[in-house]
Amino acid sequence: QQQVKQSPQSLIVQKGGISIINCAYENTAFDYFPWYQQFPGKGPALLIAIRPDVSEKKEGRFTISFNKSAKQFSLHIMDSQPGDSATYFCAASKDTDKLIFGTGTRLQVFP
Amino acid sequence: DAGVTQSPTHLIKTRGQQVTLRCSPKSGHDTVSWYQQALGQGPQFIFQYYEEEERQRGNFPDRFSGHQFPNYSSELNVNALLLGDSALYLCASTSSGGSNQPQHFGDGTRLSIL
Repeated sequence: QQQVKQSPQSLIVQKGGISIINCAYENTAFDYFPWYQQFPGKGPALLIAIRPDVSEKKEGRFTISFNKSAKQFSLHIMDSQPGDSATYFCAASKDTDKLIFGTGTRLQVFP
Repeated sequence: DAGVTQSPTHLIKTRGQQVTLRCSPKSGHDTVSWYQQALGQGPQFIFQYYEEEERQRGNFPDRFSGHQFPNYSSELNVNALLLGDSALYLCASTSSGGSNQPQHFGDGTRLSIL
């Protein structure tokens, strides 16, 4: 019940395309859903986060869509750029509790 | 404004040894969490410190212990190192003020066990 399932494991997108990464959770007590971006040799950097009282949140080219009834949320990267090539992790937590991470998606954006 | 800083960046140890990793939280943050990230995996929660006390603990053995100092900095200690302890150890800090405060991560300490 503590797991967060993430898919796909890897994603190849052409420059200018849309990248979509999906996550699903079981624990309905989770109330905070962040997405992190990690480059090789670096720690995860917070991209965008959402709470379950909102169905969508947009920041620049990054959008989170949240479906509370299905217990699913997804990250959309619009106009994907080669600089977006990184590993993306979804996560979930209850308030200030520990973050439960997904297994990661390696995104490659080709020019 | 410095972010989360960790030291050392890399460390090589042998089985059975002990190691101490250090973390300074982002300015204004008072809560520190430690995560272990194995190669190709997502970070796994080890424990969280607040007000110099361990507030939460993940599914890690007692060989993993920690400490938080009055200036909010923290240490992670691992005893009797095993080959399986080879990983990137990440420190994250957050503020206890308000709900759902974001956790900010350092760049980690890469620990290799020979």
